[in-house]
Amino acid sequence: DVKVTQSSRYLVKRTGEKVFLECVQDMDHENMFWYRQDPGLGLRLIYFSYDVKMKEKGDIPEGYSVSREKKERFSLILESASTNQTSMYLCASSLQGENTEAFFGQGTRLTVV
Amino acid sequence: EDQVTQSPEALRLQEGESSSLNCSYTVSGLRGLFWYRQDPGKGPEFLFTLYSAGEEKEKERLKATLTKKESFLHITAPKPEDSATYLCAVHNTGGFKTIFGAGTRLFVKA
Repeated sequence: DVKVTQSSRYLVKRTGEKVFLECVQDMDHENMFWYRQDPGLGLRLIYFSYDVKMKEKGDIPEGYSVSREKKERFSLILESASTNQTSMYLCASSLQGENTEAFFGQGTRLTVV
Repeated sequence: EDQVTQSPEALRLQEGESSSLNCSYTVSGLRGLFWYRQDPGKGPEFLFTLYSAGEEKEKERLKATLTKKESFLHITAPKPEDSATYLCAVHNTGGFKTIFGAGTRLFVKA
Protein backbone atom coordinates (compact mmCIF):
# COMPACT_ATOMS: atom_id res chain seq x y z
CA ASP A 1 0.00 0.00 0.00
CA VAL A 2 1.37 3.39 -1.00
CA LYS A 3 2.45 5.65 1.81
CA VAL A 4 3.50 9.23 2.42
CA THR A 5 4.53 9.84 6.00
CA GLN A 6 4.94 13.22 7.66
CA SER A 7 7.08 13.32 10.77
CA SER A 8 4.59 15.11 13.04
CA ARG A 9 0.82 15.41 13.23
CA TYR A 10 0.89 18.47 15.51
CA LEU A 11 3.62 21.00 16.21
CA VAL A 12 3.70 24.14 18.35
CA LYS A 13 6.63 26.49 17.78
CA ARG A 14 7.59 29.95 18.92
CA THR A 15 7.92 32.98 16.67
CA GLY A 16 11.42 33.18 15.24
CA GLU A 17 12.23 29.49 15.60
CA LYS A 18 13.60 27.49 12.69
CA VAL A 19 11.15 24.69 11.94
CA PHE A 20 11.72 21.49 10.01
CA LEU A 21 8.86 19.44 8.54
CA GLU A 22 9.89 16.05 7.22
CA CYS A 23 8.17 13.90 4.61
CA VAL A 24 9.05 10.40 3.43
CA GLN A 25 7.43 8.38 0.63
CA ASP A 26 7.91 4.69 -0.06
CA MET A 27 6.62 4.58 -3.65
CA ASP A 28 9.80 5.57 -5.50
CA HIS A 29 8.00 8.65 -6.84
CA GLU A 30 10.01 11.29 -8.65
CA ASN A 31 7.80 14.25 -7.78
CA MET A 32 7.27 15.59 -4.29
CA PHE A 33 5.30 18.61 -3.15
CA TRP A 34 4.65 20.78 -0.11
CA TYR A 35 1.30 22.53 0.24
CA ARG A 36 -0.34 24.56 2.94
CA GLN A 37 -4.08 24.41 3.48
CA ASP A 38 -6.06 27.24 5.03
CA PRO A 39 -9.85 27.54 5.41
CA GLY A 40 -11.45 29.07 2.35
CA LEU A 41 -8.18 29.16 0.40
CA GLY A 42 -7.74 25.53 -0.55
CA LEU A 43 -4.35 23.98 -1.07
CA ARG A 44 -1.57 26.34 -2.11
CA LEU A 45 1.72 25.06 -3.45
CA ILE A 46 4.82 26.16 -1.55
CA TYR A 47 7.59 24.20 -3.30
CA PHE A 48 7.93 21.09 -5.41
CA SER A 49 10.75 18.83 -6.51
CA TYR A 50 10.91 16.59 -9.58
CA ASP A 51 14.26 14.99 -8.79
CA VAL A 52 16.87 14.67 -6.08
CA LYS A 53 18.48 18.03 -5.29
CA MET A 54 16.06 19.79 -7.67
CA LYS A 55 13.46 22.24 -6.41
CA GLU A 56 11.02 24.71 -7.90
CA LYS A 57 9.10 27.52 -6.25
CA GLY A 58 5.36 27.21 -6.06
CA ASP A 59 2.86 29.99 -5.53
CA ILE A 60 3.81 31.00 -1.98
CA PRO A 61 7.52 30.24 -1.35
CA GLU A 62 8.31 33.30 0.75
CA GLY A 63 9.55 32.39 4.22
CA TYR A 64 10.11 28.75 3.28
CA SER A 65 12.90 26.64 1.87
CA VAL A 66 13.16 22.95 0.99
CA SER A 67 15.70 20.19 0.81
CA ARG A 68 15.71 16.95 -1.15
CA GLU A 69 18.92 15.01 -0.60
CA LYS A 70 17.36 11.59 -1.18
CA LYS A 71 14.59 10.55 -3.53
CA GLU A 72 12.26 9.41 -0.78
CA ARG A 73 12.63 12.43 1.53
CA PHE A 74 11.50 16.02 1.08
CA SER A 75 11.92 18.54 3.88
CA LEU A 76 10.21 21.88 4.36
CA ILE A 77 12.05 24.49 6.39
CA LEU A 78 10.56 27.59 7.95
CA GLU A 79 13.61 29.80 8.35
CA SER A 80 12.09 32.03 11.04
CA ALA A 81 8.57 31.00 11.97
CA SER A 82 5.90 33.66 12.11
CA THR A 83 2.30 33.55 13.31
CA ASN A 84 0.99 33.85 9.74
CA GLN A 85 2.61 30.49 9.01
CA THR A 86 0.18 28.77 11.36
CA SER A 87 -1.52 26.30 9.04
CA MET A 88 -2.02 22.70 7.95
CA TYR A 89 0.98 21.53 5.91
CA LEU A 90 0.53 18.68 3.46
CA CYS A 91 3.23 16.73 1.69
CA ALA A 92 2.44 14.81 -1.49
CA SER A 93 4.22 12.69 -4.05
CA SER A 94 3.46 11.54 -7.57
CA LEU A 95 4.99 9.64 -10.45
CA GLN A 96 6.97 11.52 -13.08
CA GLY A 97 4.84 13.29 -15.64
CA GLU A 98 2.33 16.09 -15.61
CA ASN A 99 -0.86 14.17 -15.33
CA THR A 100 -0.53 11.74 -12.47
CA GLU A 101 -2.51 11.77 -9.26
CA ALA A 102 -0.89 12.83 -6.02
CA PHE A 103 -0.65 10.78 -2.85
CA PHE A 104 -0.82 12.86 0.30
CA GLY A 105 0.52 12.49 3.80
CA GLN A 106 -1.71 12.89 6.82
CA GLY A 107 -0.73 16.51 7.32
CA THR A 108 1.07 18.49 10.01
CA ARG A 109 -0.93 21.05 11.96
CA LEU A 110 1.60 23.76 12.81
CA THR A 111 0.82 26.46 15.34
CA VAL A 112 3.25 29.36 15.75
CA VAL A 113 2.81 31.30 18.98
CA GLU B 1 -5.17 33.37 -14.74
CA ASP B 2 -5.86 29.69 -14.11
CA GLN B 3 -8.61 29.25 -11.57
CA VAL B 4 -10.77 26.54 -10.00
CA THR B 5 -14.02 27.40 -8.23
CA GLN B 6 -16.10 24.88 -6.30
CA SER B 7 -19.71 25.27 -5.26
CA PRO B 8 -21.43 25.13 -2.93
CA GLU B 9 -18.97 25.74 -0.08
CA ALA B 10 -21.01 23.43 2.12
CA LEU B 11 -23.85 21.01 1.43
CA ARG B 12 -26.07 19.30 3.96
CA LEU B 13 -28.03 16.24 2.82
CA GLN B 14 -30.25 13.68 4.40
CA GLU B 15 -29.19 10.07 3.95
CA GLY B 16 -30.47 8.90 0.56
CA GLU B 17 -30.88 12.44 -0.83
CA SER B 18 -28.92 12.58 -4.10
CA SER B 19 -27.16 15.77 -5.18
CA SER B 20 -24.23 17.18 -7.15
CA LEU B 21 -21.10 19.18 -6.42
CA ASN B 22 -19.78 21.62 -9.00
CA CYS B 23 -16.24 22.45 -10.07
CA SER B 24 -15.80 25.27 -12.59
CA TYR B 25 -12.39 25.82 -14.07
CA THR B 26 -10.51 28.28 -16.22
CA VAL B 27 -7.16 27.02 -17.44
CA SER B 28 -4.98 27.72 -20.43
CA GLY B 29 -5.05 24.09 -21.47
CA LEU B 30 -6.57 21.25 -19.49
CA ARG B 31 -4.43 18.15 -19.13
CA GLY B 32 -6.53 16.50 -16.44
CA LEU B 33 -9.13 17.18 -13.77
CA PHE B 34 -8.89 15.41 -10.44
CA TRP B 35 -11.32 14.78 -7.59
CA TYR B 36 -10.07 14.07 -4.09
CA ARG B 37 -11.84 13.30 -0.83
CA GLN B 38 -10.50 14.71 2.44
CA ASP B 39 -11.63 13.56 5.87
CA PRO B 40 -11.15 15.89 8.86
CA GLY B 41 -7.55 15.96 10.06
CA LYS B 42 -6.29 13.85 7.17
CA GLY B 43 -4.67 14.39 3.80
CA PRO B 44 -6.69 14.26 0.57
CA GLU B 45 -7.31 10.86 -0.99
CA PHE B 46 -7.52 10.43 -4.76
CA LEU B 47 -10.89 9.54 -6.28
CA PHE B 48 -10.93 10.18 -10.05
CA THR B 49 -9.07 11.65 -13.00
CA LEU B 50 -10.96 12.95 -16.04
CA TYR B 51 -9.11 13.93 -19.20
CA SER B 52 -11.57 15.10 -21.82
CA ALA B 53 -15.04 16.57 -22.15
CA GLY B 54 -17.74 13.92 -22.10
CA GLU B 55 -15.77 11.52 -19.96
CA GLU B 56 -17.45 9.94 -16.92
CA LYS B 57 -16.12 7.78 -14.08
CA GLU B 58 -17.90 6.00 -11.27
CA LYS B 59 -16.97 4.59 -7.89
CA GLU B 60 -19.66 3.23 -5.59
CA ARG B 61 -22.12 6.11 -4.98
CA LEU B 62 -19.95 8.71 -6.75
CA LYS B 63 -19.95 9.64 -10.42
CA ALA B 64 -17.74 12.34 -11.92
CA THR B 65 -18.44 14.03 -15.24
CA LEU B 66 -16.54 16.60 -17.28
CA THR B 67 -17.46 19.33 -19.76
CA LYS B 68 -15.23 21.97 -21.33
CA LYS B 69 -15.84 24.39 -18.48
CA GLU B 70 -16.86 22.35 -15.44
CA SER B 71 -17.02 19.05 -13.70
CA PHE B 72 -19.72 17.57 -11.52
CA LEU B 73 -19.43 15.04 -8.74
CA HIS B 74 -22.80 13.34 -8.45
CA ILE B 75 -23.59 11.56 -5.20
CA THR B 76 -26.38 9.02 -5.41
CA ALA B 77 -28.21 7.95 -2.23
CA PRO B 78 -25.45 9.22 0.06
CA LYS B 79 -24.67 7.67 3.43
CA PRO B 80 -23.24 9.37 6.55
CA GLU B 81 -19.82 7.89 5.76
CA ASP B 82 -19.75 10.01 2.58
CA SER B 83 -19.42 13.10 4.79
CA ALA B 84 -16.09 14.74 3.91
CA THR B 85 -14.60 17.65 2.00
CA TYR B 86 -14.40 17.03 -1.75
CA LEU B 87 -11.60 18.79 -3.60
CA CYS B 88 -11.35 19.45 -7.31
CA ALA B 89 -7.99 20.11 -8.96
CA VAL B 90 -6.71 20.68 -12.49
CA HIS B 91 -3.43 20.18 -14.26
CA ASN B 92 -2.77 22.65 -17.03
CA THR B 93 -0.45 22.22 -19.98
CA GLY B 94 3.23 22.78 -19.60
CA GLY B 95 3.81 22.46 -15.91
CA PHE B 96 3.92 20.35 -12.79
CA LYS B 97 1.59 22.60 -10.90
CA THR B 98 -1.83 21.49 -9.78
CA ILE B 99 -4.47 24.12 -9.10
CA PHE B 100 -6.90 23.21 -6.34
CA GLY B 101 -10.33 24.54 -5.57
CA ALA B 102 -11.26 25.44 -2.00
CA GLY B 103 -13.46 22.38 -1.66
CA THR B 104 -17.06 21.51 -0.84
CA ARG B 105 -17.81 20.27 2.68
CA LEU B 106 -20.48 17.59 2.50
CA PHE B 107 -22.51 16.61 5.56
CA VAL B 108 -24.84 13.61 5.30
CA LYS B 109 -27.24 13.12 8.18
CA ALA B 110 -28.71 9.72 9.04
